[in-house]
Amino acid sequence: QKEVEQDPGPLSVPEGAIVSLNCTYSNSAFQYFMWYRQYSRKGPELLMYTYSSGNKEDGRFTAQVDKSSKYISLFIRDSQPSDSATYLCAMRPLSGSARQLTFGSGTQLTVLP
Amino acid sequence: DAGVIQSPRHEVTEMGQEVTLRCKPISGHNSLFWYRQTMMRGLELLIYFNNNVPIDDSGMPEDRFSAKMPNASFSTLKIQPSEPRDSAVYFCASSRDSNEKLFFGSGTQLSVL
Repeated sequence: QKEVEQDPGPLSVPEGAIVSLNCTYSNSAFQYFMWYRQYSRKGPELLMYTYSSGNKEDGRFTAQVDKSSKYISLFIRDSQPSDSATYLCAMRPLSGSARQLTFGSGTQLTVLP
Repeated sequence: DAGVIQSPRHEVTEMGQEVTLRCKPISGHNSLFWYRQTMMRGLELLIYFNNNVPIDDSGMPEDRFSAKMPNASFSTLKIQPSEPRDSAVYFCASSRDSNEKLFFGSGTQLSVL
């Protein structure tokens, strides 16, 4: 079993929809959570990060962490065609370093105009 | 800043040939990472350099893989001899510090026939 599980999709939604992307993890040492966005033929880019349980908002994006359930989510409000990409969750121990990042396999999202 | 620069963008080679992938990290970044991305295994860390020194190469799959960082502005990943199962997208990433966020290059799409 992988330490981080992510539904690969593909997920297709109409423009303006609310999108929910999710990851589950098994390692309770993971305390630092990130979401990366990867456009086609590009490298991943960091979208959001959070250390704590609860919600963190940045514009149309909200990252949610439930450590008791070992479950994290990324919500996209008012989704746009430009949000079409693969979204990867990533996580590591709080005291760890970037080399300890474990990535999910990514969810491919298409927002239809 | 031009970001992390990788070359070539695409490489097609025959089994048994030597392949060299190149990376120029962002100026001022002291940590460099090589990743491999496949549909089956997602994003995997191959090797991590800090201040040009290889710190963790536990992700390098076999002795056929080697990486060097002769100076702060250049790194190579070499596969010799290449095999079809090496076909993947190889990403280089850099960060200002080992705990800071990663900046990825656009990757090299490698196809070994």
